Amino acid sequence: EDQVTQSPEALRLQEGESSSLNCSYTVSGLRGLFWYRQDPGKGPEFLFTLYSAGEEKEKERLKATLTKKESFLHITAPKPEDSATYLCAGGGATNKLIFGTGTLLAVQP
Amino acid sequence: DAGVTQSPTHLIKTRGQQVTLRCSPKSGHDTVSWYQQALGQGPQFIFQYYEEEERQRGNFPDRFSGHQFPNYSSELNVNALLLGDSALYLCASRGRGPETQYFGPGTRLLVL
Repeated sequence: EDQVTQSPEALRLQEGESSSLNCSYTVSGLRGLFWYRQDPGKGPEFLFTLYSAGEEKEKERLKATLTKKESFLHITAPKPEDSATYLCAGGGATNKLIFGTGTLLAVQP
Repeated sequence: DAGVTQSPTHLIKTRGQQVTLRCSPKSGHDTVSWYQQALGQGPQFIFQYYEEEERQRGNFPDRFSGHQFPNYSSELNVNALLLGDSALYLCASRGRGPETQYFGPGTRLLVL
């Protein structure tokens, strides 16, 4: 059965304290691994799509990487405005997205 | 370039009632998917529409139905509402080729 697991469930960082979020996946016929940011009460905002192991993508303070079993979202020198829930999803042969439960990130000034 | 839009933003219904939610996809997109997100959980896939037909369906009962119109917009209908249907309902669209789905702001449904 397709499954995506994210850890930790919640993470509290001080401003400038770098860290990584983990996403473990088992998705048949993976066609893409997706990262989204979600603010409270809003829809997920697209961040990255990764297609194959070894691929990396960067955007401002965020970098996403992909292996055959995991993806990591690295946050370098975070700011309070990076506080949000970060969702990971696998897209398989059926085109539906299988989401993890997310990591709630809080960055304190 | 307009993104994915959804209406209404919020809705309050009572048990047993029926509800219709609406979605307009991002410009140039022809595939629409619907997701249900309970509080503190990740979105769960309901179904996907392409060329006005339901192409994929998740583990949701027949009370959940949908429609896609010739202009690619879509509706989600839920009959005989239950308390457990209270959630954020998300619409996502994608175009041909790229796998990335873009989400709308969602409709918050509260069933009392």
